[in-house]
Amino acid sequence: GQNIDQPTEMTATEGAIVQINCTYQTSGFNGLFWYQQHAGEAPTFLSYNVLDGLEEKGRFSSFLSRSKGYSYLLLKELQMKDSASYLCAVRDLGSGNTPLVFGKGTRLSVIA
Amino acid sequence: EAGVAQSPRYKIIEKRQSVAFWCNPISGHATLYWYQQILGQGPKLLIQFQNNGVVDDSQLPKDRFSAERLKGVDSTLKIQPAKLEDSAVYLCASSLGAAGGAYNEQFFGPGTRLTVL
Repeated sequence: GQNIDQPTEMTATEGAIVQINCTYQTSGFNGLFWYQQHAGEAPTFLSYNVLDGLEEKGRFSSFLSRSKGYSYLLLKELQMKDSASYLCAVRDLGSGNTPLVFGKGTRLSVIA
Repeated sequence: EAGVAQSPRYKIIEKRQSVAFWCNPISGHATLYWYQQILGQGPKLLIQFQNNGVVDDSQLPKDRFSAERLKGVDSTLKIQPAKLEDSAVYLCASSLGAAGGAYNEQFFGPGTRLTVL
């Protein structure tokens, strides 16, 4: 089976750093994605990890440990506009065409 | 570059009625996905097309849901008859497909918010 867990809600202060964790249990693994979704809008791509380690992209970084079935998304210098849901998604074994399995999302509230 | 287009954006119907959603993917994208996103949850795949063929419809409730992509470009998703539990946002996404390699990012449309009363 497939199971992806992430916290339901988090709150952080403007200018701070927040880490959103994701653990997964899938029959296979061919990449992990993080998406950002503002209320009432479509998910937009943030990051992709397929090898262990840290991928950095501006204020956002994503980490993967395949042996632990674990990833996190790190958001630095938080801004009010970062208030959104953050979706962790895993691609099971297969080609790049294999569909993604999404977690339920973590709703992040950034407060002043 | 134009994104994934969907219509309508909102739809309210009564249970047992029928409804159809339309999606136009990014030009040149071979793969098209329909997801259902219930409030407070992540998107759940309903069906995946590669050009005009179905790749995966294992989670599509086929007794009431149907989808087609006849010319391998735009697609329609239909629900007939609708149930209360079908209230959700229906997201369409597209990707390059095999040409996208292992990365093969999916691009999402704005979604159609369906309310079944």
